[in-house]
Amino acid sequence: EVQLLESGGGLVQPGESLRLSCAASGFTFRTQAMTWVRQAPGKGLEWVSGTSGRADSTYYADSVKGRFSISRDNSKNTLYLQMSSLRAEDTAVYYCAKLIEFSSGRGYFDYWGQGTLVTVSS
Amino acid sequence: DIQMTQSPSSLSASVGDRVTITCRASQSISSSLNWYQQKPAKAPKLLIYAASSLQSGVPSRFSGSGSGTDFTLTISSLQPEDFATYYCQQSYSTSMTFGQGTRLEIK
Repeated sequence: EVQLLESGGGLVQPGESLRLSCAASGFTFRTQAMTWVRQAPGKGLEWVSGTSGRADSTYYADSVKGRFSISRDNSKNTLYLQMSSLRAEDTAVYYCAKLIEFSSGRGYFDYWGQGTLVTVSS
Repeated sequence: DIQMTQSPSSLSASVGDRVTITCRASQSISSSLNWYQQKPAKAPKLLIYAASSLQSGVPSRFSGSGSGTDFTLTISSLQPEDFATYYCQQSYSTSMTFGQGTRLEIK
């Protein structure tokens, strides 16, 4: 059974940093592209970032480019999102999701974690 | 970025009704369109990928169609568990985008 378990969310002040983790199990992690998708309170879904199975390709939404960094440790079956220079508008539930990749960085999300809430507020 | 627009934004229907939700892309995206269902405080669930392919385990009352810029999600006979918010998502460009969502409520 595929399981994705996010952690690392919390309350931070504007300008601070935070690292999210996503522990994966139930599939061959190193061969699968992975992504982060977020959802602001009461709002819709926004794709944030993605990485290939070998982490040799990474992708970012314009809204986070230069501030967020996606990485993975295939020996630990874990996906990360390093977030810096956080803003109030980054407040959201962050989901990690497994990507079935049609082509470089593009595809559909077949499994999702339960999400972790990041609140950016002073 | 490719903009995805869903209509309607909300919809009231009854158990047993046939319901159609529309998603329009700001440019042609071929068949690179996926549909998700989200219930309150839960993660989204994949329903349809590549415009019309039913994800394993999803009931056959869900179907998708369309190509280019116009797509539809149809629920043939609404069940109580289908009341949720539905999102379309384009996977044509690397900067993948979602529609704003359609909230399906009980009439």
